[in-house]
Amino acid sequence: DAKTTQPPSMDCAEGRAANLPCNHSTISGNEYVYWYRQIHSQGPQYIIHGLKNNETNEMASLIITEDRKSSTLILPHATLRDTAVYYCIVRGYNQGGKLIFGQGTELSVKP
Amino acid sequence: DTAVSQTPKYLVTQMGNDKSIKCEQNLGHDTMYWYKQDSKKFLKIMFSYNNKELIINETVPNRFSPKSPDKAHLNLHINSLELGDSAVYFCASSQGSGSPLHFGNGTRLTVT
Repeated sequence: DAKTTQPPSMDCAEGRAANLPCNHSTISGNEYVYWYRQIHSQGPQYIIHGLKNNETNEMASLIITEDRKSSTLILPHATLRDTAVYYCIVRGYNQGGKLIFGQGTELSVKP
Repeated sequence: DTAVSQTPKYLVTQMGNDKSIKCEQNLGHDTMYWYKQDSKKFLKIMFSYNNKELIINETVPNRFSPKSPDKAHLNLHINSLELGDSAVYFCASSQGSGSPLHFGNGTRLTVT
């Protein structure tokens, strides 16, 4: 079973920031938080990951709370092409690369 | 340049047939995976290979047999296809088991 909880759906206006929350209250000390997204009819795409510090790359920012029990993925200026299902995944390095996907959040970016 | 490519993209076949799905990655990764996405859109790992060695086998029926001729390829052979095998199958690769996975665009298998 997935160790994360996400809202099933969210809407965001084009050009605004999209903030996607994730709860992972049972995360272990050596487990990372990963975010992937799946655009319709495509394979999952890696976005970002982090352990305890906030992370930023060209796609998004990841904010992890100090107790590591929750995180937020931020798409700073959402576009229509960001419409997708976003998955928050907790993953340990000793799991052989296994990703356990939950239901994710279906983000709809609207004009 | 497609990093992880799967063929075919669509596969329609009848129950009882045997079929194969091919996967190739040109990223130089040493670990490859097969995931299955069912009609409810849940993605679940099936197999993982590292340098041609099986490291994850998630209680998949033995009708499914992965084959890794080299570390750039991981093919999936399915015997005696059943209706419940209808799904989208995704191949993925990573450098080691701790790096992000790169996924292909899937093979939609329909068993009639």
